[in-house]
Amino acid sequence: QVTLKESGPGILQPSQTLSLTCTFSGFSLSTYGMGVGWIRQPSGKGLEWLANIWWDDDKYYNPSLKNRLTISKDTSNNQAFLKITNVDTADTATYYCARIDYYDGSHWFAYWGQGTLVTVSS
Amino acid sequence: DTVLTQSPALAVSPGERVSISCRASEGVNSYMHWYQQKPGQQPKLLIYKASNLASGVPARFSGSGSGTDFTLTIDPVEADDTATYFCQQSWNDPWTFGGGTKLELK
Repeated sequence: QVTLKESGPGILQPSQTLSLTCTFSGFSLSTYGMGVGWIRQPSGKGLEWLANIWWDDDKYYNPSLKNRLTISKDTSNNQAFLKITNVDTADTATYYCARIDYYDGSHWFAYWGQGTLVTVSS
Repeated sequence: DTVLTQSPALAVSPGERVSISCRASEGVNSYMHWYQQKPGQQPKLLIYKASNLASGVPARFSGSGSGTDFTLTIDPVEADDTATYFCQQSWNDPWTFGGGTKLELK
């Protein structure tokens, strides 16, 4: 059974660094082809892809936030991480992590965590 | 970036057939996927690679399309299908999502 769970600070102030953790089970990020992605959703709005990390430590970032994002993983502890620097109120959102599945060259978010709400406020 | 355009909302009666469209601003091959999100919940995968039903998803859901025009069809619609439906492409970088179509039942 595949599960993912996000954790974060809940609330932080503008200009701080947001650190998020995704703890998962039912798969390993050391398995060939496996990946984990981060997606966020402001309340009542759409979804925005942020970053992916792959089994071979390859990383892909959304260019709109690339300079502020760092994705990493701890394979031994089945965790993935995302850091966002210099946060602003516009970063207030629910943040999801998801396992990436693939077939015939295509990739998609097959399993999602429940999300963690992050509020940026002074 | 590849912009995915969806109609904001649809209203249908239970038992009817509904088609939810997603149009891409540029070709995405068949690398289009569909998700269902109910209020207060995380998105759930319904369809991957345009037309493949995800595990455990009822056969009432189906997907079609390629290139720039894609459709998610629910037939017949049930009361539990009230949700927002998002399309997502993974052919072009960065991966992008549509704005979502909110499905309401009459």
